[in-house]
Amino acid sequence: NAGVTQTPKFQVLKTGQSMTLQCAQDMNHNSMYWYRQDPGMGLRLIYYSASEGTTDKGEVPNGYNVSRLNKREFSLRLESAAPSQTSVYFCASNAGGTDYEQYFGPGTRLTVT
Amino acid sequence: RKEVEQDPGPFNVPEGATVAFNCTYSNSASQSFFWYRQDCRKEPKLLMSVYSSGNEDGRFTAQLNRASQYISLLIRDSKLSDSATYLCVVNSGGSNYKLTFGKGTLLTVNP
Repeated sequence: NAGVTQTPKFQVLKTGQSMTLQCAQDMNHNSMYWYRQDPGMGLRLIYYSASEGTTDKGEVPNGYNVSRLNKREFSLRLESAAPSQTSVYFCASNAGGTDYEQYFGPGTRLTVT
Repeated sequence: RKEVEQDPGPFNVPEGATVAFNCTYSNSASQSFFWYRQDCRKEPKLLMSVYSSGNEDGRFTAQLNRASQYISLLIRDSKLSDSATYLCVVNSGGSNYKLTFGKGTLLTVNP
């Protein structure tokens, strides 16, 4: 099992460009999450998908959109990147129900210039 | 009061030392509590869950005090490999869908 995979690992964008971060899990998990991690701020939830077909805003959703493409895949889109979106982005998943542990992907390091 | 607050650190300790991390949470409806570990430039990984009765896993002991809304992690006989950032994590308002992460405490164990 690969667990949670993310692509790309690194990306540099210019202000105003768009891009989609991809995430996939092979653990048959119901719930998936997107976080961003900034120095001194900790991990903050951007969006989550409690189950296939549903998505909800987290703590910092502005400037982002998500798509739960199927049970395995959950993508994060930046429509018009801004320097404030420079961050490390982590995707995570968990089984749901009474399984609270979230499994994280290796992260995408995004720089917006 | 922030949802999850941790000792800001950093902690620098010699090998073999005992070190304790403290964490408080603000949402009294929270039901699940965890410590995650994050190595430099890596993803967070679950270290241990925290139960009301307290729980131990080798050199690691976690405690929960619901009345004080306080969580702790004790590491005994520190190893160089324990160097990492430790994240206190609490589920939000009874739902297992959302977790709130503390900012983390950096531990460096020195030879």
